[in-house]
Amino acid sequence: AQSVAQPEDQVNVAEGNPLTVKCTYSVSGNPYLFWYVQYPNRGLQFLLKYITGDNLVKGSYGFEAEFNKSQTSFHLKKPSALVSDSALYFCAVRSDNYGQNFVFGPGTRLSVLP
Amino acid sequence: DGGITQSPKYLFRKEGQNVTLSCEQNLNHDAMYWYRQDPGQGLRLIYYSQIVNDFQKGDIAEGYSVSREKKESFPLTVTSAQKNPTAFYLCASRPRQTYNEQFFGPGTRLTVL
Repeated sequence: AQSVAQPEDQVNVAEGNPLTVKCTYSVSGNPYLFWYVQYPNRGLQFLLKYITGDNLVKGSYGFEAEFNKSQTSFHLKKPSALVSDSALYFCAVRSDNYGQNFVFGPGTRLSVLP
Repeated sequence: DGGITQSPKYLFRKEGQNVTLSCEQNLNHDAMYWYRQDPGQGLRLIYYSQIVNDFQKGDIAEGYSVSREKKESFPLTVTSAQKNPTAFYLCASRPRQTYNEQFFGPGTRLTVL
């Protein structure tokens, strides 16, 4: 069975500081990993994905994520947080096995304080 | 929110009534999905469709129904059998290749009065 954990319900960080939002996963087969961001009463916006290749993936709005196969993690990072980054962040995984669907984590609320 | 539209944005329903949520995409995507979002629970899959005239149940299909008569459209009906329908409903689509991400619509917030 596939699963995604986001161990922190809430992450607070000061503007200008680096931020990390954690994600760990469990799949059978090779993982495809995704990060999405959601602003209030809006749909999810795609940030970045890992499919294969370089473990460090760069995405939209200065975000990046590092795939760590041994730790089954895919943490989202940004070197310098902005107040406008405050939102709900979802990690999702899908196995490369045929017929598997996406599984989403419960979400982490990021608050960037001015 | 790309080329996916959901309507209406807000919907109110009386208990015992069926209601249909619209989802349309102009991205020429094969696959379409319906999710339900409740606070603190992430997204849960209701139904999905990989191709026209075919769809499969997700994790929480009870009390819901869908159709996929056209590639562009994937409406969701919330029936009176759904015990707790008040939630935020999200539609998504994606191209067929397995590594592609989903594109989400803006969502419909359903409230049962």
